[in-house]
Amino acid sequence: DIQMTQSPSTLSASVGDIVTITCRASRSISIWLAWYQQKPGNAPKLLIYRASSLESGVPSRFSGSGSGTDFTLTINSLQPDDFATYYCQQYVSQSWTFGQGTKVEI
Amino acid sequence: EVHLVESGGGLVQPGGSLRLSCAASGLSFNTYTMTWVRQAPGKGLEWISYIIGSGQSIYYADSVRGRFTVSRDNAKNSLFLQMNNLRDEDTAVYYCAGEPAPGARWGQGTLVTVSS
Repeated sequence: DIQMTQSPSTLSASVGDIVTITCRASRSISIWLAWYQQKPGNAPKLLIYRASSLESGVPSRFSGSGSGTDFTLTINSLQPDDFATYYCQQYVSQSWTFGQGTKVEI
Repeated sequence: EVHLVESGGGLVQPGGSLRLSCAASGLSFNTYTMTWVRQAPGKGLEWISYIIGSGQSIYYADSVRGRFTVSRDNAKNSLFLQMNNLRDEDTAVYYCAGEPAPGARWGQGTLVTVSS
C-alpha cells in the first residue's frame, strides 16, 4: 500500500499568515492527490483534486502543487475560518490512503 | 445540489453485524465512484472501500477485507456497507462520499459503536 506522510502534524499560525502543509507519498502517485479540510463535528470538505485543481466554491487563497511523491497545500493570507485539520489523500491505486492530518491552530 | 445521507449506525456487540446505507440525490449516481471512509473518535480519516459506478469493481482496505461488503443500487441511488464480525476497533463515524472529483460531497456520517 502507498503510505502518505503529512507534515507538520500541528501548525500554529496567525490570521494573515501564509501556511504550507506538505504531503509525501511512499511511491509516485502522479497527480492523483486530493486535499480536504475538516472542522470539528463536521464531515471533510474537498478543497483540491488532481493535486492542483481547485474545487468550485473554494476560496482562491487555497492552492495545491506537486506531482510524483511530493505535494504541497498552501493557504495564502490565513483567515479565521481556515483554522481546521487538513488531510491529503492519494487515489491512484486500488487502495486509497489518507495522510495523518495537519491541525492548523492559533 | 448533491446530497448524501447515511443511516443505519448504532450500538452493536463485538462479533455482530450492521448494514449502513447512503442515499444520494442531485447527481447522476450511476456514473460516480463512491467511497466509504471512517473516523475513529479523535483520530484521522481511514479509507475503507470504493466502488465504481457500474458496481463491477470494488476495492477494500486490508483492515476490513473479508468482513465488510460494499454494494450499490443505482436504480435507487443508494450505496450500502454490510459490516460483519465487528470489532471494538471498528467503532467510528462512517462517511459515504463521492470520489475526489469536481463536485464531490460527503454525507454527515453515521456513528457505529462496537461494545459489549
